[in-house]
Amino acid sequence: SQQGEEDPQALSIQEGENATMNCSYKTSINNLQWYRQNSGRGLVHLILIRSNEREKHSGRLRVTLDTSKKSSSLLITASRAADTASYFCATSTSGSRLTFGEGTQLTVNP
Amino acid sequence: DAGVIQSPRHEVTEMGQEVTLRCKPISGHNSLFWYRQTMMRGLELLIYFNNNVPIDDSGMPEDRFSAKMPNASFSTLKIQPSEPRDSAVYFCASSLRGKVSEQYFGPGTRLTVT
Repeated sequence: SQQGEEDPQALSIQEGENATMNCSYKTSINNLQWYRQNSGRGLVHLILIRSNEREKHSGRLRVTLDTSKKSSSLLITASRAADTASYFCATSTSGSRLTFGEGTQLTVNP
Repeated sequence: DAGVIQSPRHEVTEMGQEVTLRCKPISGHNSLFWYRQTMMRGLELLIYFNNNVPIDDSGMPEDRFSAKMPNASFSTLKIQPSEPRDSAVYFCASSLRGKVSEQYFGPGTRLTVT
């Protein structure tokens, strides 16, 4: 079964609004990463948060991690039409391997 | 940096034919990953290499699938014989091993087996 599960599966918002996506996982992790995938493209790394961190920021992105609840959230503030993409969380438990969730499809309407 | 390079970008083949997908990782990266993405199953890790050595091939679906990494700058994923259910987008990714780091994905190869 997937280590990471994103919620919601699909999200549609208006430009300028904030978008929040959640990820839950099952086992202890070393770090959790978020990736974006535009249609027809490969995944692009957005941000990495280590298991001993609780919050991290990068530009309009804010990621939180709650290891007690085994969950993470990705917040995109002031969304733009160009943010339309699928967003995946990925967990690392050991070594180089990542396990990806099923993704959240975000649509930002202009 | 050119990023991870994959070829071909698109492949259409008939059932029973051999298919070879190619990947050139980012120079200096020593971990390489092959993934398959479908609507039904999402993104699946097929196999990964550290320093050209296969570490975990538990995701390889069947003996019809094989992967090699003869040197640090080249890897192949071969399907022989191909079947319609192998139709998917195949991604190659690379990263720096031994460091908490992100993976860099190639643009993918869209495989269609008819």
